[in-house]
Amino acid sequence: GIQVEQSPPDLILQEGANSTLRCNFSDSVNNLQWFHQNPWGQLINLFYIPSGTKQNGRLSATTVATERYSLLYISSSQTTDSGVYFCAVINTNAGKSTFGDGTTLTVKP
Amino acid sequence: DVKVTQSSRYLVKRTGEKVFLECVQDMDHENMFWYRQDPGLGLRLIYFSYDVKMKEKGDIPEGYSVSREKKERFSLILESASTNQTSMYLCASREQYFGPGTRLTVT
Repeated sequence: GIQVEQSPPDLILQEGANSTLRCNFSDSVNNLQWFHQNPWGQLINLFYIPSGTKQNGRLSATTVATERYSLLYISSSQTTDSGVYFCAVINTNAGKSTFGDGTTLTVKP
Repeated sequence: DVKVTQSSRYLVKRTGEKVFLECVQDMDHENMFWYRQDPGLGLRLIYFSYDVKMKEKGDIPEGYSVSREKKERFSLILESASTNQTSMYLCASREQYFGPGTRLTVT
């Protein structure tokens, strides 16, 4: 099946810093999503981004489908950004999502 | 806003018990999913359903079954709970909207 690799596995930032999270995938996809899981376990969809660039406030995401990667940018990080960020892809043939192992982000005040 | 609810936030069961985890969504979505999440293993798909009375095995269906009698409700069943099924269980609607999760402990 499709492989999804996220990097870095852990990231510690000072409040106000910027960061880039990466998601590499091994096969063509027709859907890619970024999620944030808060410390209470709730998963929130951030972006549905099979290709191109989207922005939502301090967050933006870019997917380059032809090169099989996606990037999540967090600018001016806040402590509430802490949690685990997951990338999930749906392979054209599989029809169901495969999740990466996540990047654990800790933003210190 | 789409709302996905799960019947329990925390659940403690004994080995061998039959366990039902319920998930309800309010947006008339056809696709619903059950995942389990374990430290170091990420999210793994157990079962999914594309419509009422339809079910498909995910990556780790062993020891689980599901029921989809109504469009809004997707139930995960542990026929005989075992300690290795202690985990966080997450339900999703349309693979985009997740419930708050059920943390199940089997003793």
